[in-house]
Amino acid sequence: GNSVTQMEGPVTLSEEAFLTINCTYTATGYPSLFWYVQYPGEGLQLLLKATKADDKGSNKGFEATYRKETTSFHLEKGSVQVSDSAVYFCALSGWNQGGKLIFGQGTELSVKP
Amino acid sequence: DAGVIQSPRHEVTEMGQEVTLRCKPISGHNSLFWYRQTMMRGLELLIYFNNNVPIDDSGMPEDRFSAKMPNASFSTLKIQPSEPRDSAVYFCASSTGGGDTEAFFGQGTRLTVV
Repeated sequence: GNSVTQMEGPVTLSEEAFLTINCTYTATGYPSLFWYVQYPGEGLQLLLKATKADDKGSNKGFEATYRKETTSFHLEKGSVQVSDSAVYFCALSGWNQGGKLIFGQGTELSVKP
Repeated sequence: DAGVIQSPRHEVTEMGQEVTLRCKPISGHNSLFWYRQTMMRGLELLIYFNNNVPIDDSGMPEDRFSAKMPNASFSTLKIQPSEPRDSAVYFCASSTGGGDTEAFFGQGTRLTVV
């Protein structure tokens, strides 16, 4: 079945550091890939998405590229801020699955001033 | 639009009691999802509906859990009887149902069973 694996946290960085959170997936067909973010005490919000191979999703300085050859969708940001502290979830939605999302286990990011 | 609305935000109940969680999806969305979040298991999909019909309930842990969607604007997740291991945050989400579309999440219900 479809699944998502992302790097374990917590990840602790200093402000302005470079961020990478690794995500790989297993899926049949042509899934869409997503990154969601969860701030403390809140629900998940879409951060970015990519719907086909080689697409790059971007938002708020975050980027991720859909790599079919390596089945990866790594999240990157060139310079993190304290306000980026949150839990980040990689997710996929399988072809013809009605929008059902399969999530990775989440990676907690803590950015120190 | 007010987004996906869940109630209550917090629920504390005693073991053995019935618990009902409620969700109002975004108007016009035809897919609705119930997820459970715990530290140990992360985010698990419990069940999802399309056009008010349950499509996949393979994630429902056991018969103590049931979900309904009587109309396009309301869904419930019921646990009867509740057990301490059901303690978790339960999220409802809705979307337009396409595989590449965004799911919008409610703020969740934090359930504690003592």
